[in-house]
Amino acid sequence: AQSVTQPDIHITVSEGASLELRCNYSYGATPYLFWYVQSPGQGLQLLLKYFSGDTLVQGIKGFEAEFKRSQSSFNLRKPSVHWSDAAEYFCAVASKAAGNKLTFGGGTRVLVKP
Amino acid sequence: EPEVTQTPSHQVTQMGQEVILRCVPISNHLYFYWYRQILGQKVEFLVSFYNNEISEKSEIFDDQFSVERPDGSNFTLKIRSTKLEDSAMYFCASSALGTGELFFGEGSRLTVL
Repeated sequence: AQSVTQPDIHITVSEGASLELRCNYSYGATPYLFWYVQSPGQGLQLLLKYFSGDTLVQGIKGFEAEFKRSQSSFNLRKPSVHWSDAAEYFCAVASKAAGNKLTFGGGTRVLVKP
Repeated sequence: EPEVTQTPSHQVTQMGQEVILRCVPISNHLYFYWYRQILGQKVEFLVSFYNNEISEKSEIFDDQFSVERPDGSNFTLKIRSTKLEDSAMYFCASSALGTGELFFGEGSRLTVL
């Protein structure tokens, strides 16, 4: 069965500093990989996705993520965070073998200090 | 920009009552999903729906749950007899391609007393 691990439950970062959120997945073949963001009281917004091809993918709001097959990772990065980036971030995986349903990680809550 | 809409945004109900949560997926999407998020926990898959039938369901989705697409635009989740542990945020999602790229609604918060 596919699974996703986000090792960091909380991360606090200063505004303007860089951010990296870790995500590791467990699946035999190459899955489809996603990052979603959830602001307080809001739904889930897709930040970026990886299906195939270039392993560095660009998303919205200045985020990027890099797929590393050898490490089964799909870490999310942003060079310079803004106060509005404070939210919960979910990594997710889908695969044809699993009926294309999304399996989410536990989430990482990002706090941004002024 | 097309979006998934959900109603109600918040529902409070008594244990044992029936609840229907409604969703209007994006109009040209073919795959529909319900997920739930218990407060402070991860987002969990409940059920997927394609071609007017359930394509997959999780162990959470027991006989108390059902889904329906009654009129070609709405997609509903019914809980027949709610339990305290059904209190959660329920998210509807739809997808055009079935590749896992889901578009989520803003959720319906269910509180069971």
